[in-house]
Amino acid sequence: GAGVSQSPSNKVTEKGKDVELRCDPISGHTALYWYRQSLGQGLEFLIYFQGNSAPDKSGLPSDRFSAERTGGSVSTLTIQRTQQEDSAVYLCASSLERQSLWGYTFGSGTRLTVV
Amino acid sequence: LAKTTQPISMDSYEGQEVNITCSHNNIATNDYITWYQQFPSQGPRFIIQGYKTKVTNEVASLFIPADRKSSTLSLPRVSLSDTAVYYCLVGERDSSYKLIFGSGTRLLVRP
Repeated sequence: GAGVSQSPSNKVTEKGKDVELRCDPISGHTALYWYRQSLGQGLEFLIYFQGNSAPDKSGLPSDRFSAERTGGSVSTLTIQRTQQEDSAVYLCASSLERQSLWGYTFGSGTRLTVV
Repeated sequence: LAKTTQPISMDSYEGQEVNITCSHNNIATNDYITWYQQFPSQGPRFIIQGYKTKVTNEVASLFIPADRKSSTLSLPRVSLSDTAVYYCLVGERDSSYKLIFGSGTRLLVRP
């Protein structure tokens, strides 16, 4: 597609429920990233996929968070047993393999609210 | 990635020139300086990148002194729509690794 697509744009969930957030990167972009942004804060790196390599999961805040990328394209970020502190905007970005510093394209994010 | 320091916030008025300075004392020889812009309710977007001296595009100018330990993003004649958060990042241009964003500079343009 022309841009990075994320769905849903907004999600309200009850504490303790599981949620899945979807990211559809730009066609041909082999690198995909998930970030989290709490209100008024900077971006917090979560996870990074590059081609068929093992993902860099170093930013995931707890084992309740997981992500997968199927077929080198669409990615799903799953948060199990959601907590109120998980409320944030979750941003996905993609880039060509070797243009990561300047070639990031971000989606508009999913705003997650845990009540 | 080299550590960067930039002001937390800045205020300006429509029509003024805004200069946001970023300090990066530990910049390495192969590092480039890149700026991203984030509007409310949107993801960041790339606006400009440079290595030395001056770079200009349709959005902004980037001034980099000879020692490269700082850089200044210049926005000419800002409008209300330039209200955004501006992030300065420093690192190798074509290396595949994750970007680490700081808190950025929150620019508010007033009428």
